[in-house]
Amino acid sequence: DARVTQTPRDKVTEMGQEVTMRCQPILGHNTVFWYRQTMMQGLELLAYFRNRAPLDDSGMPKDRFSAEMPDATLATLKIQPSEPRDSAVYFCASDAGGGEELFFGEGSRLTVL
Amino acid sequence: QKEVEQNSGPLSVPEGAIASLNCTYSDRGSQSFFWYRQYSGKSPELIMSIYSNGDKEDGRFTAQLNKASQYVSLLIRDSQPSDSATYLCAVKPDDYKLSFGAGTTVTVRA
Repeated sequence: DARVTQTPRDKVTEMGQEVTMRCQPILGHNTVFWYRQTMMQGLELLAYFRNRAPLDDSGMPKDRFSAEMPDATLATLKIQPSEPRDSAVYFCASDAGGGEELFFGEGSRLTVL
Repeated sequence: QKEVEQNSGPLSVPEGAIASLNCTYSDRGSQSFFWYRQYSGKSPELIMSIYSNGDKEDGRFTAQLNKASQYVSLLIRDSQPSDSATYLCAVKPDDYKLSFGAGTTVTVRA
């Protein structure tokens, strides 16, 4: 059963702490996306990679967010230091590269107190 | 101006009625258009894709595209309580990224 796997599913942390979210894309998918979803802003694209190379991270606050793909089976999104306004659901998604369908993970719900 | 805009809703329809969802996009060069459904607390899932002007039907769902007007719509016929969800319009302005609208929440009243 091919699916995108994200960890952690839920994270509560205090302002100023580092948060790392991880994503395992579907095997064989070469394009990976990070989205953030809030009630106010909807689904915002933060960054995406193709063949592990970052194509666009213009949606991310550069001073505190970083996204990497250390290998084809792992994408990470790091927030340091975290702030209450970072509270959201973070989705990782992958596709087969120009494919029709984006497959989403179950999301990581982040609460920053 | 946002890349993708949707009628804000929420939209409440009686069971069996037609739900009509609208979406406009700003990048005239966009070629691929999608509708995703997101149940509360779940992740989005693809329900329709459309690439050419006109209508595309899949079961109770019909997507309509008008590139000249930069407009995409989704009709849900014979709405069922299981259709209650948020519907996200998505547009591919280039070969890779997918931009989403804010979503329209649909509630089907039994």
